[in-house]
Amino acid sequence: AQTVTQSQPEMSVQEAETVTLSCTYDTSESDYYLFWYKQPPSRQMILVIRQEAYKQQNATENRFSVNFQKAAKSFSLKISDSQLGDAAMYFCAFGSGGSNYKLTFGKGTLLTVNP
Amino acid sequence: AAGVIQSPRHLIKEKRETATLKCYPIPRHDTVYWYQQGPGQDPQFLISFYEKMQSDKGSIPDRFSAQQFSDYHSELNMSSLELGDSALYFCASSDRGQGFNEKLFFGSGTQLSVL
Repeated sequence: AQTVTQSQPEMSVQEAETVTLSCTYDTSESDYYLFWYKQPPSRQMILVIRQEAYKQQNATENRFSVNFQKAAKSFSLKISDSQLGDAAMYFCAFGSGGSNYKLTFGKGTLLTVNP
Repeated sequence: AAGVIQSPRHLIKEKRETATLKCYPIPRHDTVYWYQQGPGQDPQFLISFYEKMQSDKGSIPDRFSAQQFSDYHSELNMSSLELGDSALYFCASSDRGQGFNEKLFFGSGTQLSVL
């Protein structure tokens, strides 16, 4: 079974600055996907970024980028130029190759953005 | 663009009652997933369906059942409700035919409160 660990229950960042959220995972599979989801107070689940394990290049989506270290089983999310709207709970999630969206989530990191 | 529709948005039930949650996937999506998110918890995978057949099963109690109908909508039936069933229930859909480009879209969730 896969496990996903987010060691930072809460993080805060000043508006316009950069913050990195940590995630580690454990799996014996070689084919898998990793995700970061954002859940604002509305509780809608919003995909932030996705990384395929077979790709060495780190995924980026505008101000969001990941540092994927496959050997270390680490998948951190960097948010640049933080905005007030980035404030939310962020979940790291693992999906195995055969069933990409049977996801295992971490416990989440609550991000506060200070003006 | 059409999104995943869940109904009802909120549901209040008494202990030992029955509840039915409905999910209408994005048109042409063939796969539906159900997740349960307890208060302050990460989402837990319950069950998934592909082309109207159950494709995967997670931590779904025996008191719960689900199915996907010919029009691809899905229903989660919950019987003998317990206080611990109070949670936000997410449905999500995807088009498995997209292969590596398959993306998951979440509905807004059904908040179930068991009193």
